[in-house]
Amino acid sequence: SYELTQPLSVSVALGQTARITCGGNNIGNKNVHWYQQKPGQAPVLVIYRDSNRPSGIPERFSGSNSGNTATLTITRAQAGDEADYYCQVWDSSTWVFGGGTKLTVL
Amino acid sequence: EVQLVESGGGLVQPGGSLRLSCAASGFAFSDHWMHWVRQAPGKGLEWVANIKQDGSEKYYVDSVKGRFTISRDNAKDSLFLQMNSLRGEDTAVYFCARENIDYGEFVDSWGQGTQVTVSS
Repeated sequence: SYELTQPLSVSVALGQTARITCGGNNIGNKNVHWYQQKPGQAPVLVIYRDSNRPSGIPERFSGSNSGNTATLTITRAQAGDEADYYCQVWDSSTWVFGGGTKLTVL
Repeated sequence: EVQLVESGGGLVQPGGSLRLSCAASGFAFSDHWMHWVRQAPGKGLEWVANIKQDGSEKYYVDSVKGRFTISRDNAKDSLFLQMNSLRGEDTAVYFCARENIDYGEFVDSWGQGTQVTVSS
């Protein structure tokens, strides 16, 4: 089965740029989607199909995908961006989530 | 406004059964693939199962095959998950999720989740 690998944690200084990676075999050939989840809440879609933002998601959130790595980039990080982030792909009629990355804004 | 409201969670003994429900409103339920996603305490998201608009196709994560059954009632805008032979590792918050209608492949709306605890 397909596997997605994310770092357990990423730290970023307030106002700086955070990058969260999602690794998978030839993931560049798949569409990658990203969700933000804050404690006690349901996840929220922040990027779909590699680099598209749903309405209401700030332009500070962007995504890219190539080769074996997809990346979620958050520019001008704010305290409110502190959350868990999950990547997700569709594979053979099933869905696969990455293990999640805890983003800490210092 | 899209709403997904789960119910049916609770405490159950190992080997027991539970049926989760998800009441949908604010959109054309019968137009969407629907999913169940779970999250064990302190752990990440895990996709559990999905079902096609008319119920003709269903897929499951390997760990629940043969034990869980996903179903839907489009007349009542409802999604279900019948869980049998429950194990401790099934303890989680279970989210009902709507698949995006334009592109598929991702969730664009989530319920708030219902807690399932399997313990003696």
